[in-house]
Amino acid sequence: QQQVKQSPQSLIVQKGGISIINCAYENTAFDYFPWYQQFPGKGPALLIAIRPDVSEKKEGRFTISFNKSAKQFSLHIMDSQPGDSATYFCAASMDAGNMLTFGGGTRLMVKP
Amino acid sequence: DVKVTQSSRYLVKRTGEKVFLECVQDMDHENMFWYRQDPGLGLRLIYFSYDVKMKEKGDIPEGYSVSREKKERFSLILESASTNQTSMYLCASSLAGTGYTGELFFGEGSRLTVL
Repeated sequence: QQQVKQSPQSLIVQKGGISIINCAYENTAFDYFPWYQQFPGKGPALLIAIRPDVSEKKEGRFTISFNKSAKQFSLHIMDSQPGDSATYFCAASMDAGNMLTFGGGTRLMVKP
Repeated sequence: DVKVTQSSRYLVKRTGEKVFLECVQDMDHENMFWYRQDPGLGLRLIYFSYDVKMKEKGDIPEGYSVSREKKERFSLILESASTNQTSMYLCASSLAGTGYTGELFFGEGSRLTVL
């Protein structure tokens, strides 16, 4: 039973394009939604995170959009670069704790 | 710079062998975690520990045990390895009581193959 569903599993985008990864969750008690980025041969690292009291958070080319009523959130990567090629995981947790439930991951390839 | 070190990057074991995966963090973090990473399934929590000698089961603890004798070290043990435990294992740590930050710091992973 996967409480956080992530799509697509893989994504190919041209350099300069917009990469969009979507996640949906079921547990309305979730109140913290981070995204982790994992390069080949490395462990995941925190990229950006959002709380449910805001609908959008932007850090550079990376934006999280959050829709509480739909129980969905998404990661947008603007002006995608080959260096963004990695696996991205969405996650969710409740009570501001460390117990994260991860989505299945999206392998992003940005073609030059 | 924060560091979580997993001692073995690649291991090949035979069915029935006992396997130890070691993880050390140098950030004085209270919380430590073991995750398993499989394609399409994301990261699934096996066990976590919020203090020395304390441990809690995660989502998939069956077939695994853990040991935390020192704050900086968290070991994952496969008592009798099976082929369905072939996977990438990730160790992580975090500060206790980090509120909404809750950032996990991961090691580079240990890829285990059970033949």
